[in-house]
Amino acid sequence: DGGITQSPKYLFRKEGQNVTLSCEQNLNHDAMYWYRQDPGQGLRLIYYSQIVNDFQKGDIAEGYSVSREKKESFPLTVTSAQKNPTAFYLCASSRAGVHYGYTFGSGTRLTVV
Amino acid sequence: AQTVTQSQPEMSVQEAETVTLSCTYDTSESDYYLFWYKQPPSRQMILVIRQEAYKQQNATENRFSVNFQKAAKSFSLKISDSQLGDAAMYFCAYRSRENYGGATNKLIFGTGTLLAVQP
Repeated sequence: DGGITQSPKYLFRKEGQNVTLSCEQNLNHDAMYWYRQDPGQGLRLIYYSQIVNDFQKGDIAEGYSVSREKKESFPLTVTSAQKNPTAFYLCASSRAGVHYGYTFGSGTRLTVV
Repeated sequence: AQTVTQSQPEMSVQEAETVTLSCTYDTSESDYYLFWYKQPPSRQMILVIRQEAYKQQNATENRFSVNFQKAAKSFSLKISDSQLGDAAMYFCAYRSRENYGGATNKLIFGTGTLLAVQP
């Protein structure tokens, strides 16, 4: 079955460390997105990519970086510059065309220890 | 910029009853899509229903229906015959149709409404 796989499900980061969250899709979707979810704040867009080798900053890109070397993959790196990284991170993808909604992964819970 | 507002942080409904979740949005555009997503305790986001702004007919998916009032910029979700499995966080979302295929086609989410279903 097609879908989006996020890994790991839980991730712990020490202060000052960079960590990378994986997102892989086999839906042949062109666009991919990273959202951060905090209690009471809904989903906020971090980065998105419409095509391979191209991506744009979302609303809260500071302290994060991404790459899109393959259509199927859109990893997110949380750098040490991100001061409050503890959150739930959701990856999503969509087909070209605005009438489609997103397909979401199951998320990664990142905790700073 | 477009915004989506969900003014009810929490709602509660008795099993088998009907509940309506509110959503308003702000936009200057005339052509767009609206969505309701459900996030159960597993945290997997599930698309519940979709509405196209140029269609006057309200969308319906089984027990889920919307009341789309374009002039009022309102998009409420009605859940009929509520079931225990409906307990979840519900997010309203907006997607512009401007610049088809361009960088503006991202989903904008509200802050969510947490729905509890009482047995």
